[in-house]
Amino acid sequence: KAGVTQTPRYLIKTRGQQVTLSCSPISGHRSVSWYQQTPGQGLQFLFEYFSETQRNKGNFPGRFSGRQFSNSRSEMNVSTLELGDSALYLCASSLNTRLAGSSYEQYFGPGTRLTVT
Amino acid sequence: KNEVEQSPQNLTAQEGEFITINCSYSVGISALHWLQQHPGGGIVSLFMLSSGKKKHGRLIATINIQEKHSSLHITASHPRDSAVYICAGDNYGQNFVFGPGTRLSVLP
Repeated sequence: KAGVTQTPRYLIKTRGQQVTLSCSPISGHRSVSWYQQTPGQGLQFLFEYFSETQRNKGNFPGRFSGRQFSNSRSEMNVSTLELGDSALYLCASSLNTRLAGSSYEQYFGPGTRLTVT
Repeated sequence: KNEVEQSPQNLTAQEGEFITINCSYSVGISALHWLQQHPGGGIVSLFMLSSGKKKHGRLIATINIQEKHSSLHITASHPRDSAVYICAGDNYGQNFVFGPGTRLSVLP
């Protein structure tokens, strides 16, 4: 079974631009979560999607948005990029949401490394 | 004070040693996750636990809900265990709060 894939793997953008990152979950998985990892802040939760609905969102400004399609693939978008948005963006997929309790298990993709200049 | 803290920040061990990484949290959580991140960034989810103890191979994770503390133990450590270990508190499915990570180096 193929793992979680993220595209692109590396991206360089300029301040003020916008960017869209893509995540394809493991086949059959309906939940996709997004995370940001920076040297200063570490890992931070961005949002979780399940069955095309955003279930919850971390403490990020409205410039960060996402969506999930009917095939469970997910995209996240960052508008008006800032230097501080430079980070590794990770997505993870799971069969169900974290509310499922002990059966929850998430699988991470390799990440997209975004550099904003 | 961070909501999730880990100790030690860095740890160097000799192959075969027993290793303990600690995680303490100040927020209410429904579950505690342990993650492993290898150089290059790939993350593997090791455990999710809400009570007691779980074991997988040489890895053991425990949690004490009353004391708001969790530990990750590695028995018979091996150089391939070298990675950053991160604990994360799951706030009833609403949010994830991550610790800063513990960087482990196991020397042959």
